[in-house]
Amino acid sequence: AQKITQTQPGMFVQEKEAVTLDCTYDTSDPSYGLFWYKQPSSGEMIFLIYQGSYDQQNATEGRYSLNFQKARKSANLVISASQLGDSAMYFCAMRENQGGKLIFGQGTELSVKP
Amino acid sequence: DGGITQSPKYLFRKEGQNVTLSCEQNLNHDAMYWYRQDPGQGLRLIYYSQIVNDFQKGDIAEGYSVSREKKESFPLTVTSAQKNPTAFYLCASSDKPHNEQFFGPGTRLTVL
Repeated sequence: AQKITQTQPGMFVQEKEAVTLDCTYDTSDPSYGLFWYKQPSSGEMIFLIYQGSYDQQNATEGRYSLNFQKARKSANLVISASQLGDSAMYFCAMRENQGGKLIFGQGTELSVKP
Repeated sequence: DGGITQSPKYLFRKEGQNVTLSCEQNLNHDAMYWYRQDPGQGLRLIYYSQIVNDFQKGDIAEGYSVSREKKESFPLTVTSAQKNPTAFYLCASSDKPHNEQFFGPGTRLTVL
């Protein structure tokens, strides 16, 4: 069965520093997609970045990059130059090949210190 | 502005009552989804619909029902059969099932 694991319940980072949020996944399907979402205290889920299983290069979106290591089945999110507004819950998710439904990890709560 | 709206933001229900959560999108997306989030947890899929007049059960469909009579609307009914309905409910949509999903602001349901 497909599964997403986020082993860091909480993380702290100093403002302006980089931080890596871990995500490992398990699937036997050769075709899959990996997503990261941010959930501020307001509750809304904000899409950050996507990586396809066949993509040759790591995905990047502004200050967000995805460290995709296919053989290790990991898809870590790297946030560069952290800002106070980055404080939120971060969820890693994997898309099944059929139906497009997402399987979410338990989330990591990131706190950025001034 | 294009987006997804959910109403109400907060909902209180007495035990034994059915309640319907609204989800509307004007993004012209084909696929729509309902998720449930419990405190400190990730999201779990309740129902999804890839096209009008068609929908499938997700991982935790028991005690819930949906309809998809219009492309832009995907209401979720929480029935009295749902044993523990207090949770945060999020609706999402995507233009194609394999693309990223965009989420609404959520409805927080509390059973009194």
